[in-house]
Amino acid sequence: EVQLLESGGGLVQPGGSLRLSCAASGFTFSSYAMNWVRQAPGKGLEWVSVLSASGASTFYADSVKGRFTISRDNSKHTVSLQMNSLRAEDTAVYYCAKALPRGYYSGLDVWGQGTTVTVSS
Amino acid sequence: QSALTQPRSVSGSPGQSVTISCTGTSSDVGGFNYVSWYQHHPDKAPQLIIWDVNERPSGVPDRFSASKSGNTASLTISGLQAEDEADYYCCSYTGTYTLVFGGGTKLTVL
Repeated sequence: EVQLLESGGGLVQPGGSLRLSCAASGFTFSSYAMNWVRQAPGKGLEWVSVLSASGASTFYADSVKGRFTISRDNSKHTVSLQMNSLRAEDTAVYYCAKALPRGYYSGLDVWGQGTTVTVSS
Repeated sequence: QSALTQPRSVSGSPGQSVTISCTGTSSDVGGFNYVSWYQHHPDKAPQLIIWDVNERPSGVPDRFSASKSGNTASLTISGLQAEDEADYYCCSYTGTYTLVFGGGTKLTVL
């Protein structure tokens, strides 16, 4: 079964850091770009970042550029999101999502259940 | 990058059809045939229902169809069923290696 399982969410103070992880199973992880998408309370989905299959290319939403870093370990089938300088507006459920074989621009076909990040003092 | 514009809510009775619009600009929706749609039930993982403007993943009923004209994409759900009640999001590639989602539309099945 194709599956993504996020972990690492929690409560963190403004200015703090948190590292999210996503464990993949059921597909050839190293062949697909991986994304993070978030949903703030009462708000819509917001794309956060993408990492190419090889790990060579990364792209970020302007709202997190310079503060968040996406990475992957193809040997462990995991993708991570290092979040620094966290702000209240980063409070959200964070989803890990797999890109279609054609590319992430075409669509995201597998999603995890999400992990909740709360930034508050 | 501003979010794509979707109606906040739509509704329909079982068996009817509804259409959800998604308006962007020539820099996103209008510039590329890379519009996708997602169905999101509360407390569940979002599900891809349309990719590349009008392609359906296997397992998605053909009651779901989509199209694009200019800077506006549309999702049509025909033969509405109770289980279609959910939030629906469009998403587009922006040409600067990023993606942008719409604000989401809540579908109510009356």
